[in-house]
Amino acid sequence: GDSVTQMEGPVTLSEEAFLTINCTYTATGYPSLFWYVQYPGEGLQLLLKATKADDKGSNKGFEATYRKETTSFHLEKGSVQVSDSAVYFCALSPLEGSNYKLTFGKGTLLTVNP
Amino acid sequence: DTEVTQTPKHLVMGMTNKKSLKCEQHMGHRAMYWYKQKAKKPPELMFVYSYEKLSINESVPSRFSPECPNSSLLNLHLHALQPEDSALYLCASSQAYRFEQYFGPGTRLTVT
Repeated sequence: GDSVTQMEGPVTLSEEAFLTINCTYTATGYPSLFWYVQYPGEGLQLLLKATKADDKGSNKGFEATYRKETTSFHLEKGSVQVSDSAVYFCALSPLEGSNYKLTFGKGTLLTVNP
Repeated sequence: DTEVTQTPKHLVMGMTNKKSLKCEQHMGHRAMYWYKQKAKKPPELMFVYSYEKLSINESVPSRFSPECPNSSLLNLHLHALQPEDSALYLCASSQAYRFEQYFGPGTRLTVT
C-alpha cells in the first residue's frame, strides 16, 4: 500500500537557519504530493503541493520538488523564523485506482529559537 | 477563500450525552471528510462524503454518526462515547477526490 516516511523529529533550529525536512514515499502510479503545517492548537493548513514529476511547490518561503527518481518531496526553507515553529506533515494522494485516501507521514515537530 | 469552519471549538461531554459537531465550507467543494487526530499523531480518516453521499466509512464505531444535510454542511453526531474518543476532530473538504484537502480548525473533544 501507499506510505510516506518523513524524518523523525523533533528538529530544533536557531532563527535564520536553513531547514530541510526529508520526505520519501511509496505509491503506485504518480501521486500528488503535499506538505501540511499544523500550528499549536490549530487544524492543518496546506503549505504547498506538487502534482507531477519535477514540479516545485512553493509558499511562504518554503519549497519542495517532486523527485520521481528518488520518490522524494523534501521540504526546505532558507531562513526560518520563530513563527515557523509547528508540526509539518508530508502527505500523498493517489491519482489512480479506488484508493483516494490522503496518506500522511508521522509528522515532524519543528522548534525555532530566537 | 479557502476556509472551512467548525463548531464548537471545544466540547466536553459525558459518556451518556448526545452532541453534534458541525462543519461548513463555501468553496463549492463536493467532497467532505471527517478525521480524528490524537496528540502527536497524523489525522486518521473516519468518513468521506462525495456529492452529499457517504462514500467511505473507515470502520468507525456506530457511536459516531455522520450526516451531510447539503453540499456545504457536514455534521458528526456523537452518542455514548468513551474516554478514548477524546481527540481533535477535523473536518476537511476538497474539490473532488484526489484534489488537495482544506482543513478546518478542529473541535477539541473531551469525553469524561
